[in-house]
This record gives sequence, C-alpha cells and structure tokens, in this order.
Amino acid sequence: AQSVTQLDSQVPVFEEAPVELRCNYSSSVSVYLFWYVQYPNQGLQLLLKYLSGSTLVKGINGFEAEFNKSQTSFHLRKPSVHISDTAEYFCAVRRTGANNLFFGTGTRLTVIP
Amino acid sequence: ETGVTQTPRHLVMGMTNKKSLKCEQHLGHNAMYWYKQSAKKPLELMFVYNFKEQTENNSVPSRFSPECPNSSHLFLHLHTLQPEDSALYLCASSPGTEGWTDTQYFGPGTRLTVL
Repeated sequence: AQSVTQLDSQVPVFEEAPVELRCNYSSSVSVYLFWYVQYPNQGLQLLLKYLSGSTLVKGINGFEAEFNKSQTSFHLRKPSVHISDTAEYFCAVRRTGANNLFFGTGTRLTVIP
Repeated sequence: ETGVTQTPRHLVMGMTNKKSLKCEQHLGHNAMYWYKQSAKKPLELMFVYNFKEQTENNSVPSRFSPECPNSSHLFLHLHTLQPEDSALYLCASSPGTEGWTDTQYFGPGTRLTVL
C-alpha cells in the first residue's frame, strides 16, 4: 500500500517571499511523483513531475521540486511567490507497475499582498 | 486550456433524477479517468478506461455508470444519487502508451449538488 501526506493544509505567505510545500510518501517500490495545482473553480493542472534522472525538477510558473529518496519526500518550492500563485496544490504518487495515481489531501497556498 | 473539456460545469439534481456528465479530450489520448473530489479528502479514482475498455472500477456504487463510446469521449451516468455524492467530478486523460510514466491531464470538473 502507499500513501501521500501533505502535512500543511494551509500555507499563508507574503508576496515575493519564498515558499515550500511539503509532500511525503510511503511506498516499498519505486515511484513516480507529480505536483498539480488547482486554481479556484478549475481542474488540476500539472506543475511538474519526477520520473527519473536529476532529483531536482523544474516546472511551470517558476516552481521546482526535489526528490529525496532517503527521506521519501518531494517538496515543492518557489523562491518568490506572486498573488497569482494562490491556489490548492496536490502532490501525487504512482508506483511502478500501477495505473493509479494516489493524491494527497492538498495544501492551500494563500499569497498575502 | 488543458485540452480536456467537461459539461456541464455545474449540476443540481434531486435524488430521483437521472443525469449524465460528459468529458471530451482533444489530445489524442487513449486512456480516460473519472475522479471524485470531496472537501478535505484526497481525490478518489473512480473508473479508468484504456482504449475504450474499462480497466479499473474502484468499488464505485452502481448508481454511477460510466460509458466510453470512443477514446475521445467519456460519460458518467448518474441515477438515484445520495446527498453525500455531492462533489466535484473530474475527468482526466493520458496517452495510455507511456507505461508507468503516463501523465494525466485534467478537465475543469463538474460541480455536482444532490438535493
């Protein structure tokens, strides 16, 4: 079995400040990792994904994430947030050999002017 | 735009009604998915279709009935729903040919309210 934990349900941060959204997973096999963003009244949009290779993955809108196998983490970071980054962010995991994506419960990022 | 469209965007129905949700993808993908998104809960995978064949039914009650007439269209037929079925229903598609690295692309969702 596997699970995805997003410990922070809400993260308020001031505009132009850095942010880190945490994601930890549990799996006994190799995994593929994804971050999705959901803006108000919209569906999920892929931010970035880790499949293999470099553990530092760069995505859209200036976001990046680092895969840390020893800590089973895939935290999302941005050095300077904008008001437009206010949204819900979901971490998801797929283990090798499976079709299913397992999602975390989401982190609501609120950027304060 | 993500290339995956869903209609209607909002739906209010009574428990005795029958309605359908529609999903269409313009990405040339071969796999399509239905998810349920409820408040404070992780997204729940409901159904998966690969090349029009259902490959996953995640213990979904029979009051939800999926249909996939071709690789571009996916329907979710609803009947005798319960208030607890109120949620955002998301459709997604993926190439279906990239194995475990397949990436899913989501539509905007249908906000369903069951009275």
